[in-house]
Amino acid sequence: QKEVEQDPGPLSVPEGAIVSLNCTYSNSAFQYFMWYRQYSRKGPELLMYTYSSGNKEDGRFTAQVDKSSKYISLFIRDSQPSDSATYLCAPSTGNQFYFGTGTSLTVIP
Amino acid sequence: DADVTQTPRNRITKTGKRIMLECSQTKGHDRMYWYRQDPGLGLRLIYYSFDVKDINKGEISDGYSVSRQAQAKFSLSLESAIPNQTALYFCATSLGFGTGELFFGEGSRLTVL
Repeated sequence: QKEVEQDPGPLSVPEGAIVSLNCTYSNSAFQYFMWYRQYSRKGPELLMYTYSSGNKEDGRFTAQVDKSSKYISLFIRDSQPSDSATYLCAPSTGNQFYFGTGTSLTVIP
Repeated sequence: DADVTQTPRNRITKTGKRIMLECSQTKGHDRMYWYRQDPGLGLRLIYYSFDVKDINKGEISDGYSVSRQAQAKFSLSLESAIPNQTALYFCATSLGFGTGELFFGEGSRLTVL
């Protein structure tokens, strides 16, 4: 069983839509749950993270973790064409990272 | 200038050739990593180093070697390149405490013919 499973998409939505990106994981030792965003021909950059369970909001982005079901979500409200990128979930113990395969998102104007 | 710089950005080579990918950083981080990214497989860890005297194998180290020349420099070598090493390679750094957020370079695209 993989440490992290992520639907690769691709996902295509109209501008203004609400986007939901999801991952599942298997390791109970994960404490930090990160989302990286990767634009074409660029390296991944940290978008946001959550420590342990719960929600965290940052502008149009909300990260959610449910440790009981080992489920990680990223919601994007009022999606914009500039949100078009690949999103990678990355649960971590603080020392070790495990990346999902990434979900490719395209927001159509 | 980028905090994590990779050279070369693009390289085409032939099977059997020796290739070195270089990474330098100005972030002052002790921890450095090499990942490769393939479509459908995501980011996979090749090697990592927690300080100049520390080198560790990652998930897919076979066919690769590394050298940590200084705190700021970490190079990846393919002694005898093969076509299935064609991939996008990323160097990354981290502080090593707290979230351990990774800071990535812009990638080196390697094609082995």
